[in-house]
Parts: sequence; structure tokens; C-alpha cells
Amino acid sequence: GENVEQHPSTLSVQEGDSAVIKCTYSDSASNYFPWYKQELGKRPQLIIDIRSNVGEKKDQRIAVTLNKTAKHFSLHITETQPEDSAVYFCASGGGGNKLTFGTGTQLKVEL
Amino acid sequence: KAGVTQTPRYLIKTRGQQVTLSCSPISGHRSVSWYQQTPGQGLQFLFEYFSETQRNKGNFPGRFSGRQFSNSRSEMNVSTLELGDSALYLCASSWGTGDSEKLFFGSGTQLSVL
Repeated sequence: GENVEQHPSTLSVQEGDSAVIKCTYSDSASNYFPWYKQELGKRPQLIIDIRSNVGEKKDQRIAVTLNKTAKHFSLHITETQPEDSAVYFCASGGGGNKLTFGTGTQLKVEL
Repeated sequence: KAGVTQTPRYLIKTRGQQVTLSCSPISGHRSVSWYQQTPGQGLQFLFEYFSETQRNKGNFPGRFSGRQFSNSRSEMNVSTLELGDSALYLCASSWGTGDSEKLFFGSGTQLSVL
């Protein structure tokens, strides 16, 4: 079945710096790649997603890039703020809502 | 618009018992998916229901089952509980287009098996 690897598992940045989280997937049939943010004790919330017919997508300070050939996709957060501190999960899907999630990245934005 | 509602928020059970969790999706959403979240395994897909039918299934034993009602509300049941079933169980709703789509998660039910 599909396998999604996510790195790093923890990431600490200074406020205002950029943060990059990387994921790789194994199933070439995967065509949907969402990113979810989960704050401590709260539900996961979608922050951005990309489909396989697009190479890059931006939403204000957040961007996602997809390299289908290498089966890599990455989340980029610019001008990080303390409220960006959370666990971020990447995921892949190939139809329906059966998503395979990465193991998560704990992002800490320090003042 | 009300979000995804899961009940109960917390459950404590003992090994061998069974448990039923409930999920009410966002109004108009017809797909409900269930995920298990643990510190070691992350989020793992259990199953998806659409129009009262199971549309997708993950790699969990038959002790894990679910159903969906005509109003799209869903329940999942775990029988013969094991210690390893302790986890946060999240349900997520979506429109149910058949394509992978944005999921709206509930706050989860935290199950502890003693």
C-alpha cells in the first residue's frame, strides 16, 4: 500500500524565518496532497492542498510544491509567527477519502 | 454552520468490552471517514462511508466496524477491546464527490482501554 515519509520530525525556527517540511510518497497513482495543521489538543485542519496536475500552489505565507517525477512534495511557510507552532501532517490520496498520512512535524517558532 | 460533532469526547473501557462512537457531519456532507490517531502510528485510515455504504476500508481487523445512517450520521464500533486500541478516534466529513477532497475533522473521541 501507499507509504508517506515526512521529515523532519521536529523543526525549530526563529520568528520571521522560513520553515520547510518535506514528504515523499510511494504510490504513483496518488493525485491529491493535502497538508493539515494540528494544534495541541485540537482537531487537524487543512491549510493547503495540491493536485497532481499542478506543480505549485500559494496561499499568503504558505506554499506547497509537488515533484511528481521524484514523488516529493513540500510545505513552505515564510515569515513564521508564534501561532504557526503546531504539528503539521502531509498526506496523499488517490481517490475517495482514504488518505495516507505522514508521521507529522512538530514546528516550534521561537521569539 | 455547525462543524463535525463527535460524541463522547472521552471514554474509558476495559479489555474485552465493546464501544460505539458517534459522528455527526457538517450539514450537506455525505461522506464520513474515520481515522485512528496514536503517538506512535500517527493518523491511520479506518473506513469511509457514503450514502450508507462503506466506500473504502483501511487495514484494521474486523473488530472495527462502522455504519452510516440516512441522515449521514455515522457510528463506529470496536468489539473485544484491546489495550492497543487506546487512541484518539477522529471522524471527518466531506461532500463525497468521489475524488480526494478537503476533510473537515471533528474534535475526536479519546478512548482509553484499561
